[in-house]
Amino acid sequence: ETGVTQTPRHLVMGMTNKKSLKCEQHLGHNAMYWYKQSAKKPLELMFVYSLEERVENNSVPSRFSPECPNSSHLFLHLHTLQPEDSALYLCASSQGVATETQYFGPGTRLLVL
Amino acid sequence: KNQVEQSPQSLIILEGKNCTLQCNYTVSPFSNLRWYKQDTGRGPVSLTIMTFSENTKSNGRYTATLDADTKQSSLHITASQLSDSASYICVVSPTGGFKTIFGAGTRLFVKA
Repeated sequence: ETGVTQTPRHLVMGMTNKKSLKCEQHLGHNAMYWYKQSAKKPLELMFVYSLEERVENNSVPSRFSPECPNSSHLFLHLHTLQPEDSALYLCASSQGVATETQYFGPGTRLLVL
Repeated sequence: KNQVEQSPQSLIILEGKNCTLQCNYTVSPFSNLRWYKQDTGRGPVSLTIMTFSENTKSNGRYTATLDADTKQSSLHITASQLSDSASYICVVSPTGGFKTIFGAGTRLFVKA
């Protein structure tokens, strides 16, 4: 285990649903990340939080809304998603940002119908 | 065009054989280059990390090399095992900023 947990592991939702993904890190890290991983494509950085402040929003549609209530927890709120949003959503944490090694959770496999 | 390109896209080898995965990048300047292993259904796990001034780094049967002049890195796996079947991802951290740039990965299949 990497010390980063994600729930749920699998999620199926309709385009009109609202759901949330949860990430928790037990490593005492200061930075947390959301990534999207689609088949045969590089990981796409979505959001970066450092000390609970959002420091990067990589042109992500507003139907994805992150929340970082403290340095150990990160949420991704989902609403009115599209089928092309189906992917593996990975959470990661690191001691600092950018140059530090990131520790990834197992991901949430999302299917939007 | 992605700034980190990996080859081959996929590779099948027999258990016990060696293999080498390639990573070409255009990111410059960069702080470090990492190789991650991602098992099916799991998140990536860091294997090696090299700064721009390092040429090689080993982690057990995994050896990464870096040639900053040609902007190439390779990951060599020795005496492959079935558990080496996974995706291997090359990641480059540009100097400054928060973004790390991921390659699309090489999918390795080790057959008995």
